[in-house]
Amino acid sequence: GQQLNQSPQSMFIQEGEDVSMNCTSSSIFNTWLWYKQDPGEGPVLLIALYKAGELTSNGRLTAQFGITRKDSFLNISASIPSDVGIYFCAGQKGRNNDMRFGAGTRLTVKP
Amino acid sequence: GAVVSQHPSWVICKSGTSVKIECRSLDFQATTMFWYRQFPKQSLMLMATSNEGSKATYEQGVEKDKFLINHASLTLSTLTVTSAHPEDSSFYICSARDMGNSGNTIYFGEGSWLTVV
Repeated sequence: GQQLNQSPQSMFIQEGEDVSMNCTSSSIFNTWLWYKQDPGEGPVLLIALYKAGELTSNGRLTAQFGITRKDSFLNISASIPSDVGIYFCAGQKGRNNDMRFGAGTRLTVKP
Repeated sequence: GAVVSQHPSWVICKSGTSVKIECRSLDFQATTMFWYRQFPKQSLMLMATSNEGSKATYEQGVEKDKFLINHASLTLSTLTVTSAHPEDSSFYICSARDMGNSGNTIYFGEGSWLTVV
């Protein structure tokens, strides 16, 4: 299925820095989800967003459901080495809640 | 959070044989489960949507007869790769939709590595 536009593709940052990534689409979504995937493992849900404008935090992570319902961002504050991994956004839309994924943002954190 | 378990975590099989991968939702019922394939350094590619008690819905380009999906109960879906070939080697991941208190959220299994030799 059609992918969401997720950016950036990859990030190389220093430990302690903040990180921001986002997903956009030309379509309206009912739900936005953010996942983290470690190598060789399945994605783990970080944050789920159900309402336009919703801003939700999970520890050092903050995500927002865009007002237009066509985008979402994820911020990670004060990054640490264990934040390394691939972050995926996912959106659900339509009556059947069809799900679409971003291509992923590969995060590398240098100690 | 809700838990989805996949088994086996990794499997090696001979070319021409079939292999079955199980996906279980451990603490919620899932009328809908999803099967994905993931190539190295790439995103998840949806293969099919598994519906409890009915036939799976396959994405375009995915062979129904090669990737058999059965969703016999509200907590179990299976993917059988039939007559496996080396090009079927991949990381297969399932997910399940929790329609309950979690508010229509998708949870993923740990993934299953398939190597066909």
